[in-house]
Amino acid sequence: GENVEQHPSTLSVQEGDSAVIKCTYSDSASNYFPWYKQELGKGPQLIIDIRSNVGEKKDQRIAVTLNKTAKHFSLHITETQPEDSAVYFCAASREGGSEKLVFGKGTKLTVNP
Amino acid sequence: NAGVTQTPKFRVLKTGQSMTLLCAQDMNHEYMYWYRQDPGMGLRLIHYSVGEGTTAKGEVPDGYNVSRLKKQNFLLGLESAAPSQTSVYFCASTRQYNSPLHFGNGTRLTVT
Repeated sequence: GENVEQHPSTLSVQEGDSAVIKCTYSDSASNYFPWYKQELGKGPQLIIDIRSNVGEKKDQRIAVTLNKTAKHFSLHITETQPEDSAVYFCAASREGGSEKLVFGKGTKLTVNP
Repeated sequence: NAGVTQTPKFRVLKTGQSMTLLCAQDMNHEYMYWYRQDPGMGLRLIHYSVGEGTTAKGEVPDGYNVSRLKKQNFLLGLESAAPSQTSVYFCASTRQYNSPLHFGNGTRLTVT
């Protein structure tokens, strides 16, 4: 089955710096890669997703890149702000249902003012 | 529009007790899921449902049962709680597969 590895487990940056979180996946048939942000005491919330027919996707300060050959994808946050502090999860799945969605173990991002 | 609502928010059980966690969504979603979140383990799927009256096992189903009698509700039951079931439980729903999941705010369960 699918296995998703996420690095780093913790990341601390200064406000205004960029943050990069990387994930690798094992199933070459995976074609959907969402990223979720979880704030303290709340459930995860989708912030961006990418499908395998696209190499990069941007939404304001957030971007995701996908390298299908290497089977890895990354989340890039530019101009970080204190409100970006949260736990971020990557996930991967193939066609067939969200029940196939496999999550990484999460990255705790701290943005220091 | 409340989205996904989970009740209760917190619960403490003694080993062997039973309880039911309720998940309700008002988005008319077909798919609903129960996950557990443990430190350093990410989110693991317990059970899921692809429509009213259907349920299926996920990655970690042992010790749990579920029911989806109404489209908007998905219940997670623990018949005989064990300390290993201490966790934060999240319910999620989605319109169709490989669409964004909408999560509730979780239920923190402690089994002593």
